[in-house]
Order: sequence, then structure tokens, then C-alpha cells
Amino acid sequence: RKEVEQDPGPFNVPEGATVAFNCTYSNSASQSFFWYRQDCRKEPKLLMSVYSSGNEDGRFTAQLNRASQYISLLIRDSKLSDSATYLCVVILYNTDKLIFGTGTRLQVFP
Amino acid sequence: DVKVTQSSRYLVKRTGEKVFLECVQDMDHENMFWYRQDPGLGLRLIYFSYDVKMKEKGDIPEGYSVSREKKERFSLILESASTNQTSMYLCASSLQGATRETQYFGPGTRLLVL
Repeated sequence: RKEVEQDPGPFNVPEGATVAFNCTYSNSASQSFFWYRQDCRKEPKLLMSVYSSGNEDGRFTAQLNRASQYISLLIRDSKLSDSATYLCVVILYNTDKLIFGTGTRLQVFP
Repeated sequence: DVKVTQSSRYLVKRTGEKVFLECVQDMDHENMFWYRQDPGLGLRLIYFSYDVKMKEKGDIPEGYSVSREKKERFSLILESASTNQTSMYLCASSLQGATRETQYFGPGTRLLVL
């Protein structure tokens, strides 16, 4: 079983739609959680950290459920520029190593 | 802004050649990492370093070695390139011990081994 699992997609949604991505992690010692965004042929970049209480950044909302070992990312009012691959990332307790999911691809169409 | 640079964006090498991939960061980060990214497999950690002259194996170190002689520079070495090492190679850096801090990635090197 992979340490971090994501639905690879692709998710094809129209502009303005709301879309949600899910991610599960297997190691209960996971301490920190992030969503990264990766554009085609580019490097991953941090989109947002995920906090236990949930957090929002504009159109993006991240949630963490430690009991179910589950992370989500919600994108409201999708834009064409949101088209990218979204990577779920976990850091284990007492390490500086990131563990990446394989990513979920989003394609927003006009 | 943190800047992580990699020596080449694209490289074409022949089987058996020795290949050097260089990575430099300008933010005095202690941690540096080398990943490879392949379709369907995501990012996989090859080697990482927490300090100068220090290295630790990641998940897939076979066929690779690294060198960290200076804090800002982390080199990945393919001793004898093989076709299964054709991949996108990404370098990253981060502060040490700050688990809520992000890793910053370089632009990547696309390596093709013929």
C-alpha cells in the first residue's frame, strides 16, 4: 500500500465549478500536511499547508481528518488557470522528509 | 525569494556515461534533496542531506551517489547511466527542523539516456 494515495484523475470540470480532491495517508505518525501544485513540465510549488482545524485561502479550502487519516482540497469557482496536478504531501513526525502522493490532475474547460 | 537552480534543464546522455546533476540554493538551507519523477509513480526520494558532507539514502538510491561539499550545493551523480534512469530530476531545499516549512524546488532536469 502506498504511503500517500490520491485519485489520479483527470478531473475535467467547467469553469465556475466546485471540485474536491481527496488524499489518504497510511502512517499515523504523519505530522504535517500540504497541498502542492505542479503545472505541466514545471516544478511543484506549495499551494497551502493543511491545519487540523481546516484552513481557507481564497477559493481554496483544505481539511484534515486525523482519525480517518484523510486530507481534502476544495476548489470553488474553478478558473482555467487552476488546471494543474495537485500533489498531497505528508511529513512524518520528527523527520524533514516529504512523502508525496502521485497527484490528481485537474483540467478546467471553458 | 528562495531560489533553487539546477545546472541543466535538458540533458541527453549515452548508456554508461557518468552524469553530474548540480543543484544550488541561495537561502542558506540546511536540507537538500534529490527526487526523480516518473509518470504514475510520483516523486521518489533518491538521496538527501541535512548538512555539509552529510548524506542519507532515500527510497531509491541504487545507481546514484551524491556530494555535498558546500552548504549551498548538492550534486547528484549517475556513475554509469542506464536507460531506466531516463526521468525528470528535481532538487529541493528546506530549513532544518521546521516541519511546517515547505520545500522549495528547482526547475528540474529532464534526462534522456540513450
